[in-house]
Amino acid sequence: GQQLNQSPQSMFIQEGEDVSMNCTSSSIFNTWLWYKQDPGEGPVLLIALYKAGELTSNGRLTAQFGITRKDSFLNISASIPSDVGIYFCAGHANAGNMLTFGGGTRLMVKP
Amino acid sequence: NAGVTQTPKFRILKIGQSMTLQCAQDMNHNYMYWYRQDPGMGLKLIYYSVGAGITDKGEVPNGYNVSRSTTEDFPLRLELAAPSQTSVYFCASSYRESLNEQFFGPGTRLTVL
Repeated sequence: GQQLNQSPQSMFIQEGEDVSMNCTSSSIFNTWLWYKQDPGEGPVLLIALYKAGELTSNGRLTAQFGITRKDSFLNISASIPSDVGIYFCAGHANAGNMLTFGGGTRLMVKP
Repeated sequence: NAGVTQTPKFRILKIGQSMTLQCAQDMNHNYMYWYRQDPGMGLKLIYYSVGAGITDKGEVPNGYNVSRSTTEDFPLRLELAAPSQTSVYFCASSYRESLNEQFFGPGTRLTVL
């Protein structure tokens, strides 16, 4: 089946630093999504991307849909302690009704 | 709106026991999904439904059953619990028009001993 490789697996950064994470696939996706999961909670949608090359922001978060349709990037600027959590990418290939999820990036922020 | 609700929040089962995980949504979403999340891993789709009376298998359906008698409810049944089913289970829902944008419940943490 389709797989999404998400990196890095974990990050430990200082408050105020910028963060970058990415997701790559061997196959093409037509939609890319980024979710955040707080400890003990379900994932919450942060950003949805629908067109190759699209760059979308949500506050301090910016995500891009790669031109090749095989990757996506999420950047967080000026990190704060509440950014702590697990960030998941997900892709949809328009073949069926299923999303494919990456393994997640665990972000830890030191105040 | 309560969104997607799940019960119970935690459960411990013995091997061979059965249980039903409840999921309900009040957003009138057509599509509903069940995922499992193993420690340190992403989400894997167990079953999904595109409307009342219609269900289909996801990536990891073995050992589970679902039903969708109403738009609001989508219970997940474990018939013979096994240690491999120890996981956190998430229910999600979405509109037909934007099925990519799934809204998740808070999860049920299940341990099978």
